[in-house]
Amino acid sequence: GAGVSQSPSNKVTEKGKDVELRCDPISGHTALYWYRQRLGQGLEFLIYFQGNSAPDKSGLPSDRFSAERTGESVSTLTIQRTQQEDSAVYLCASSLLAAGANVLTFGAGSRLTVL
Amino acid sequence: AQSVAQPEDQVNVAEGNPLTVKCTYSVSGNPYLFWYVQYPNRGLQFLLKYITGDNLVKGSYGFEAEFNKSQTSFHLKKPSALVSDSALYFCAVRGPTSGTYKYIFGTGTRLKVLA
Repeated sequence: GAGVSQSPSNKVTEKGKDVELRCDPISGHTALYWYRQRLGQGLEFLIYFQGNSAPDKSGLPSDRFSAERTGESVSTLTIQRTQQEDSAVYLCASSLLAAGANVLTFGAGSRLTVL
Repeated sequence: AQSVAQPEDQVNVAEGNPLTVKCTYSVSGNPYLFWYVQYPNRGLQFLLKYITGDNLVKGSYGFEAEFNKSQTSFHLKKPSALVSDSALYFCAVRGPTSGTYKYIFGTGTRLKVLA
């Protein structure tokens, strides 16, 4: 696709429910990144993929968070048993390669509100 | 460990005046450094990057940044600010020898250009 596409753009859920956030990267981009941006704060690294593998998942806050990528394309970030502190904008970005100083192209984000 | 600091939460500048948004970093080895901008209700956009070579890097929209190895800084600058430059600016760093391809972002600096 022309850009990085994320869905849903907005998600309101009740505490304790599971949510899935989807990211469609730019076609041909082998690297994919997930970040979290809490209201008024900076970008917090969660995980990155090189192909379908996740060499660094050190930013996932707890075992309630997981992510996968298939076909070196679409990625899904899953949050189980959501908590109010999970409320944030979840940003996905992709780049041509993981190695080198590649520019990240960001999606518009998925805004998650946990009531 | 990699880290980046943006010491100012907000910078106010009058239109037509020069602007500086500060960034300092910590990384082993020579860094890859980036600036991104986030306009309201829009995704993050790439402004410029430093890999190696000339310490003064020119980017989009008339912005430039100066790499200073001794001070471990990468300040963003523009000679004459525009009201339309008002946005949230993020500095990012990655250490090529850090063993991971994740990018670390600062907490962001809100630039407000006053007419």
